[in-house]
Amino acid sequence: RKEVEQDPGPFNVPEGATVAFNCTYSNSASQSFFWYRQDCRKEPKLLMSVYSSGNEDGRFTAQLNRASQYISLLIRDSKLSDSATYLCVVKMRPTTSGTYKYIFGTGTRLKVLA
Amino acid sequence: DVKVTQSSRYLVKRTGEKVFLECVQDMDHENMFWYRQDPGLGLRLIYFSYDVKMKEKGDIPEGYSVSREKKERFSLILESASTNQTSMYLCASKPDNFYGYTFGSGTRLTVV
Repeated sequence: RKEVEQDPGPFNVPEGATVAFNCTYSNSASQSFFWYRQDCRKEPKLLMSVYSSGNEDGRFTAQLNRASQYISLLIRDSKLSDSATYLCVVKMRPTTSGTYKYIFGTGTRLKVLA
Repeated sequence: DVKVTQSSRYLVKRTGEKVFLECVQDMDHENMFWYRQDPGLGLRLIYFSYDVKMKEKGDIPEGYSVSREKKERFSLILESASTNQTSMYLCASKPDNFYGYTFGSGTRLTVV
């Protein structure tokens, strides 16, 4: 089983729709969680972190469910410019050197249609 | 804004060549990373460094080595390029006190 799994999509939604993606992780000791956005042929960019209590940034809401070991990203009122691939990232416990590892999911592709 | 600069956007090399990919960051970040990104496999960590002259293997270090002689520069070396190393290579940096990565714009390497 992969450490971090995402539905690759694509999720095709009309403008103005609400869409949600999940990301499951296998290691219950995972410490922190993040969402990144990657536009076509561009580098990933940090979108938001995911707090235990959930957090919201404008039209974007991120939530964590530790019991079921998944995180979610909800996008309300989708815009054409939201079309991108959304990567979830999980921070694992430290390596033997004490440094942390961040595991990236393969991403969920979103297409917002006019 | 933090900037992570990768020396080449596109690169074509022959099998067996030694290849150097350079990455420079301008914000004094302690941590630097090399990933490769392939369709269906996502980003996979090759090597990372948490300090000058320090390095640690990631998940797929075979066929690669790295060098970090200065804090701002992290080089990825393909000792003898092979066709299965054709990929998008992404460099990233991150300070100790913040969780977010800053990525470079990537180097698309083709080995023929």
